[in-house]
Amino acid sequence: DQQVKQNSPSLSVQEGRISILNCDYTNSMFDYFLWYKKYPAEGPTFLISISSIKDKNEDGRFTVFLNKSAKHLSLHIVPSQPGDSAVYFCAARNTGTASKLTFGTGTRLQVTL
Amino acid sequence: GAGVSQSPSNKVTEKGKDVELRCDPISGHTALYWYRQRLGQGLEFLIYFQGNSAPDKSGLPSDRFSAERTGESVSTLTIQRTQQEDSAVYLCASSLDFPGEQFFGPGTRLTVL
Repeated sequence: DQQVKQNSPSLSVQEGRISILNCDYTNSMFDYFLWYKKYPAEGPTFLISISSIKDKNEDGRFTVFLNKSAKHLSLHIVPSQPGDSAVYFCAARNTGTASKLTFGTGTRLQVTL
Repeated sequence: GAGVSQSPSNKVTEKGKDVELRCDPISGHTALYWYRQRLGQGLEFLIYFQGNSAPDKSGLPSDRFSAERTGESVSTLTIQRTQQEDSAVYLCASSLDFPGEQFFGPGTRLTVL
């Protein structure tokens, strides 16, 4: 039962363009969503998060959008840089009842020159 | 460094053997999590420790898996009678409190032959 889904296993974007990574979830009890970035042989690092009471959160080049009615969130990276090439994981949590994060399967982003 | 450390970084074992994986969380972090990532999958929650509270073991896949944590320090994940399906990267994370940001270690890559 995959409660958090990232349907695109990979994405290739040219440097300077926008990267859009998508994530869908099925559990309506999730109230907090996070994006993690992972380089090979390293652990995931926190990138940006959003609470379910918001529909947008921005941090520099990174913006996360949340559409609760569609149970969909997306991560926008503008402009994309070669150093952004990594695997991006979407994660979700029900803060009130669960301590764990539920992760998607990840999207590998390749930013080309 | 002051990050989460894990040892060993790689472990190759034979089917049926027991293995112990170690996690050193960030000093002062009261919460500690174990996840695993099998090939092509997202991160899967295993177990969570928070201070002196009873651990949340809801993610452990079988009774061959167990984990301990001494106070707010080191944690050990033990897998008994390893099976080939246990092959995965085992990731540890810690957070200052719950539900704080989780900082991940680099992981232990376990290969069961």
